[in-house]
Amino acid sequence: AQRVTQPEKLLSVFKGAPVELKCNYSYSGSPELFWYVQYSRQRLQLLLRHISRESIKGFTADLNKGETSFHLKKPFAQEEDSAMYYCALLTGGGNKLTFGTGTQLKVEL
Amino acid sequence: NAGVTQTPKFQVLKTGQSMTLQCAQDMNHEYMSWYRQDPGMGLRLIHYSVGAGITDQGEVPNGYNVSRSTTEDFPLRLLSAAPSQTSVYFCASGPGTSGNTIYFGEGSWLTVV
Repeated sequence: AQRVTQPEKLLSVFKGAPVELKCNYSYSGSPELFWYVQYSRQRLQLLLRHISRESIKGFTADLNKGETSFHLKKPFAQEEDSAMYYCALLTGGGNKLTFGTGTQLKVEL
Repeated sequence: NAGVTQTPKFQVLKTGQSMTLQCAQDMNHEYMSWYRQDPGMGLRLIHYSVGAGITDQGEVPNGYNVSRSTTEDFPLRLLSAAPSQTSVYFCASGPGTSGNTIYFGEGSWLTVV
């Protein structure tokens, strides 16, 4: 069965410091991976998907099939980046998202 | 274009009561699903549907019922509420094909006392 692991429940960094939110996955098929962000008591919003290879709000993520990882990175953290971040794996032909347990990012001044 | 709409936003139930969480989408998406979000556990799939008339169980289906009579609507029914069902519930929809985005509703905060 598929699984997504986010080892850090909480990541606290200072403003301007680099950020790396870790995500590892386990899946026998070809993975489709996403990062979703949830600001306080709001809906989940798509941040990144690996097939787009884009940079949103300064965040990037590269799929490493050898290490089965999809870590989220940003070179300089901003206060507005404080939120809950979920890594997710899409399976079932595009029908099922399996989520990690989430990492709460706190950016301190 | 409202996207994914959930009602109610907040609800308090007594143990044993039943209720329905409503979900509607206006994007003509085939795929709809319900997740529950609990601290330290991320989001877990309750039930999902790949089209009108078709539903299937997710990871944590016990205590919940769904139906999909139209493309637009996917209600979630709690048959006999239990305190363990206190959670935040999210409805989601998507085109149901690889590479496409799944969109989420704003969430429904449910407390069972």
